Amino acid sequence: QKEVEQNSGPLSVPEGAIASLNCTYSDRGSQSFFWYRQYSGKSPELIMSIYSNGDKEDGRFTAQLNKASQYVSLLIRDSQPSDSATYLCAVTQSGTYKYIFGTGTRLKVLA
Amino acid sequence: SAVISQKPSRDICQRGTSLTIQCQVDSQVTMMFWYRQQPGQSLTLIATANQGSEATYESGFVIDKFPISRPNLTFSTLTVSNMSPEDSSIYLCSEESRLDEQFFGPGTRLTVL
Repeated sequence: QKEVEQNSGPLSVPEGAIASLNCTYSDRGSQSFFWYRQYSGKSPELIMSIYSNGDKEDGRFTAQLNKASQYVSLLIRDSQPSDSATYLCAVTQSGTYKYIFGTGTRLKVLA
Repeated sequence: SAVISQKPSRDICQRGTSLTIQCQVDSQVTMMFWYRQQPGQSLTLIATANQGSEATYESGFVIDKFPISRPNLTFSTLTVSNMSPEDSSIYLCSEESRLDEQFFGPGTRLTVL
């Protein structure tokens, strides 16, 4: 059974701090990796995608991928209360287009 | 990304009935997906809906329970049949536009009494 693991949290950080969200996956053949943000009562919103080892930055968000360690992370700089949400890691199953989702990490940014 | 709408946004249904959920995309897309998100849990893929072919179901989901239609490149329906309280969930459709990226509709919140 292919799995994607995330700490459920909640992860609490003060406003302005860096929030670090982590995700590990079991499928060595996974090629595509995504971070979604889901506000309570809303559907998931894609915030980052990453396909190769290293860092990818987009505004206040940085995704980091290490395929050897089967680890993908999301850093949120200058965290704002509006960043408070559940962050879902999704990984494509090797050889397919299908996503496997982690259970999500709930982030709380304290004003 | 395409704009995706779903109908209904929520419904309360009686045990043993069926509900059809519609998903409309504002541009043509090849692949559409149906997911279930049970309370407090993550997303589970129900099936992949491809235009012109039968839907491909994931383990644990069967066509008799969750029939899917995909009549064209912008529309799909998911029916939840013979509902029980265990079917209470949020049902989400998504489309894959490029680079494996999926974008989700707003979801349908279903409560079965």
